[in-house]
Amino acid sequence: QTVVTQEPSLTVSPGGTVTLTCASSTGAVTSNHYPNWFQQKPGQAPRTLIYTTSKKHSWTPARFSGSLLGGKAALTLSGVQPEDEAEYHCLLYCNHNWVFGGGTKLTVL
Amino acid sequence: QVQLVESGAEVKKPGASVRLSCQASGYTFTSYYIHWMRQAPGVGLEWMGRIDPSNGHTHLPQGFQGRVILTRDTSTSTVYMDLSSLRFEDTAIYYCTRETDGGLFDYWGRGTLVTISS
Repeated sequence: QTVVTQEPSLTVSPGGTVTLTCASSTGAVTSNHYPNWFQQKPGQAPRTLIYTTSKKHSWTPARFSGSLLGGKAALTLSGVQPEDEAEYHCLLYCNHNWVFGGGTKLTVL
Repeated sequence: QVQLVESGAEVKKPGASVRLSCQASGYTFTSYYIHWMRQAPGVGLEWMGRIDPSNGHTHLPQGFQGRVILTRDTSTSTVYMDLSSLRFEDTAIYYCTRETDGGLFDYWGRGTLVTISS
């Protein structure tokens, strides 16, 4: 069973840049894992930000971008806003199953 | 507009079963997979499986095989998830979500809370 790992928590200053990563226990993450990134605020359902590594949904703010970095999927926030404080979840397609990471709690301080 | 609406909150005893529904609207129901995800308190998200509404074919992760059954009713554009042999650790918010081409999970239901309590 694949384990997907994210940073448990990160802190960033308003206006700063932060990169969240998503690693697979079975090796390098590639585009064949169709990496997805979701944002979730307390009491709300997850909301898709990025899919298939780097594609954005129509509602994804331009400051969010997805990529592959050092064998991991990555979500970069540039020019962080206070409203970006949330939990961020990655999702990978591994051996015909979808596997979530444990989530990253992003604090904007 | 696309909407996924789950059934209401449930309270069940250990060992019982629960049926949740997810009614889709605003698009052609048979065109896209529906997945179920869940989130236990203070824990990350977990994928529970998916159904192809066009033919009823399902795919479940090994951990839920034998405990989860997914079905659909095309006449009402509704997907059902039956979860059996409930345990305290099944207490969670359950979400349905639509997968479109290219692995995009674009629309999610608001979630429904299932509480397992003796």
